[in-house]
Amino acid sequence: EIVLTQSPVTLSLSPGERATLSCRASQSVSSSLVWYQQKPGQAPRLLIYDASKRATGIPARFSGSGSGTDFTLTISSLEPEDFAVYYCQQRSNWPLTFGQGTKVEIK
Amino acid sequence: QLQLQESGPGLVKSAATLSLTCTVSGETITSGYYWGWIRQPPGKGLEWVGSSYYSGNTYYNSSLKSRVTISIDPSQNQFSLKLTSVTAADTAVYYCARDRGIIDYRYRGLDVWGQGTTVTVSS
Repeated sequence: EIVLTQSPVTLSLSPGERATLSCRASQSVSSSLVWYQQKPGQAPRLLIYDASKRATGIPARFSGSGSGTDFTLTISSLEPEDFAVYYCQQRSNWPLTFGQGTKVEIK
Repeated sequence: QLQLQESGPGLVKSAATLSLTCTVSGETITSGYYWGWIRQPPGKGLEWVGSSYYSGNTYYNSSLKSRVTISIDPSQNQFSLKLTSVTAADTAVYYCARDRGIIDYRYRGLDVWGQGTTVTVSS
């Protein structure tokens, strides 16, 4: 099973600041890595697929990068609605696995 | 527009079987994707339960494999989850989702989710 480790656990930032979230895989997942955003009481929303492609309707301030074992989700300038929990997920191999999440909170 | 809706009991007794159904609308369930269940215990992260393809391929979380069954009913355009011998640790919000899979060599992720249904296991 591929383990995904996200860091940091919590990121405290102010609106307008840049957020950089990390996801590290225990073995290569090539580019089969996706990112989700989850707000309280809501289902997760797909942000990034194939490591770097924005899903439909996702603003350009969200970007993904990386391949193999190290991946990054960057939010270039935080908007108030971006404060949420972010998860990475892989399906390079079954079983499908999620990271434990990074909470982006208002400083 | 594709929509998924979970349904089932919100309260299940300890040691009983949890049964949930996900109704798919806006697309035929045999259109060629995996359909999955994901759960989230209170205050915790996302945990994949399992995924199934209409033609029969099914994968499960190894920690649940002995207790879980996912099946697809094309006639009703639904898929279901059964989890036996539940305990308090199975208390969670359960989501169903479409796994769009690999298209043009790119993994597309879980792109459509249901709103989730809360299941509480009581003693």
